Amino acid sequence: EPEVTQTPSHQVTQMGQEVILRCVPISNHLYFYWYRQILGQKVEFLVSFYNNEISEKSEIFDDQFSVERPDGSNFTLKIRSTKLEDSAMYFCASSLDRGSYNSPLHFGNGTRLTVT
Amino acid sequence: SQKIEQNSEALNIQEGKTATLTCNYTNYSPAYLQWYRQDPGRGPVFLLLIRENEKEKRKERLKVTFDTTLKQSLFHITASQPADSATYLCAPNAGNMLTFGGGTRLMVKP
Repeated sequence: EPEVTQTPSHQVTQMGQEVILRCVPISNHLYFYWYRQILGQKVEFLVSFYNNEISEKSEIFDDQFSVERPDGSNFTLKIRSTKLEDSAMYFCASSLDRGSYNSPLHFGNGTRLTVT
Repeated sequence: SQKIEQNSEALNIQEGKTATLTCNYTNYSPAYLQWYRQDPGRGPVFLLLIRENEKEKRKERLKVTFDTTLKQSLFHITASQPADSATYLCAPNAGNMLTFGGGTRLMVKP
């Protein structure tokens, strides 16, 4: 079964540094998402992306965050200047249809970001 | 504000019994609701989707109900097995976004 892959599985960075988290969504999916989960807390929506632009974003997704689909397969999340509170597990997901009304989200296994 | 409530306490049951997990939501009018399973250190895995015009949905040992009047969904696992031990997440839609509850941890003891 096709799956969403994320790299790296664990990223350690110093406060103030830029990080790029990478994802390869399922190949025929059209909608892409980033979620994050702080340790022990719920999975929180960050942003959705369709047709090379952001569809929706949450309050968490401020100017420090950006997303890009640089080619036909990768989907990236960039954090420009990391803060301690950015430490979390970041999940990429993709779906075939918008709003997941007819199709579920397929999640990767996440990148654990640790900001020191 | 919108709120999703799942029992944050772990649910411990004996193998073979039926597990019932509850999801209550407020200030939502979801058109659909999804349930996911999450194992430690892993991404959520989709289990079932139920729409507002459906009362019940089944898949193998899983059953989901959706009561839009009570603003509640129930998730049942029948004939539970230790391999069913995981955290189960309720996710109603908010517009085009899927939002997640905090999950309920299920422990099935042999």
